[in-house]
Amino acid sequence: GNSVTQMEGPVTLSEEAFLTINCTYTATGYPSLFWYVQYPGEGLQLLLKATKADDKGSNKGFEATYRKETTSFHLEKGSVQVSDSAVYFCALSDPHQGGKLIFGQGTELSVKP
Amino acid sequence: GAVVSQHPSRVICKSGTSVKIECRSLDFQATTMFWYRQFPKQSLMLMATSNEGSKATYEQGVEKDKFLINHASLTLSTLTVTSAHPEDSSFYICSARAGLLGAKNIQYFGAGTRLSVL
Repeated sequence: GNSVTQMEGPVTLSEEAFLTINCTYTATGYPSLFWYVQYPGEGLQLLLKATKADDKGSNKGFEATYRKETTSFHLEKGSVQVSDSAVYFCALSDPHQGGKLIFGQGTELSVKP
Repeated sequence: GAVVSQHPSRVICKSGTSVKIECRSLDFQATTMFWYRQFPKQSLMLMATSNEGSKATYEQGVEKDKFLINHASLTLSTLTVTSAHPEDSSFYICSARAGLLGAKNIQYFGAGTRLSVL
């Protein structure tokens, strides 16, 4: 079945450091891929998405490219801020399986000043 | 992005009482809404999928008589935790989706409800 695997956290970085959070997936079809962010005590916010191979999603300085050959959707940001501290979830959705979101386990990011 | 409102944000109740949580899509029609449960430091666990006007589909291991879901309109779904017990204490999150294909296949999430059962 479909699944998503993220790098384990917590990830601790200094402000202005480069961020990479790895995400790989397994899917039988052609899923859409998402990154969601969850701030403490809140629901999830859509950060970015990609719907087909080689698409690049971007938002608020974050980027991720849908790589079918490596089944990956790694999240990157060139210079993190303290306000980026949150939990990041990679997820996939396969329309042929009802479009349910399959989440990774989440990666906690802590950015220190 | 689209806005999903979830209410209440926090509820404390006595054991044995029932609690209703509302999820509304404010600026789009949600053909499908989802209910999740999240334990501390963990990912989201899908509880059920509800399509407007039809019965909810529950995930394996989720008691449908315990967690009643109603999706009576295209903008409102409710989750009722019946006869709540302390083990039902958790963070409940809803999401809503306009459709299954293309740009509509994006789930937008509510802010969550923290349920504490005493």
